[in-house]
Amino acid sequence: KAGVTQTPRYLIKTRGQQVTLSCSPISGHRSVSWYQQTPGQGLQFLFEYFSETQRNKGNFPGRFSGRQFSNSRSEMNVSTLELGDSALYLCASSLLQGETQYFGPGTRLLVL
Amino acid sequence: SQQGEEDPQALSIQEGENATMNCSYKTSINNLQWYRQNSGRGLVHLILIRSNEREKHSGRLRVTLDTSKKSSSLLITASRAADTASYFCATDAYVFAKTSYDKVIFGPGTSLSVIP
Repeated sequence: KAGVTQTPRYLIKTRGQQVTLSCSPISGHRSVSWYQQTPGQGLQFLFEYFSETQRNKGNFPGRFSGRQFSNSRSEMNVSTLELGDSALYLCASSLLQGETQYFGPGTRLLVL
Repeated sequence: SQQGEEDPQALSIQEGENATMNCSYKTSINNLQWYRQNSGRGLVHLILIRSNEREKHSGRLRVTLDTSKKSSSLLITASRAADTASYFCATDAYVFAKTSYDKVIFGPGTSLSVIP
């Protein structure tokens, strides 16, 4: 089976812009989670979707949003970008909630 | 404060030696997982151990779980240079009131360097 794919892999934006990141889970996986990784804060949970519903949300401002489609693909959106949003954004999928997560390679976002 | 915290933060060993990393957590969990990350890339799942299990093996990896102490350890035997990476533990819990799983929390990780 193909692994989790994320697009784009690298992105450069300027402050105030918005960005949309995409994640395609492993075929058959219905749960998709998003994480932000920075040197200072480590791996932080953003949100989790299961069957198109947001099941859990981390402590991030409302500028961070996401959604999941009927084919389980997921997107996350960050509006009004700030310098501190520069990070590696990781997507992970699992067959069911609470099971082993399989991570994509991540999208590295740089905000200038 | 972190739900899961790995100890030590950094570890440097010679190839062939064993490496032990520990993880402590605060709340009751459903399962605990260990992941490896190479140079800021995606995480690779190593082992999942459930709360009713005490020990699990996978190749050169051995994971133990002590729910009474809320701690887990990851042992890598006969380490290789390719084991150089950051290792994270992650925990989640089944929230009965919500009939769903709470979010997965990752610790800050242990950076392992294996010197050839």
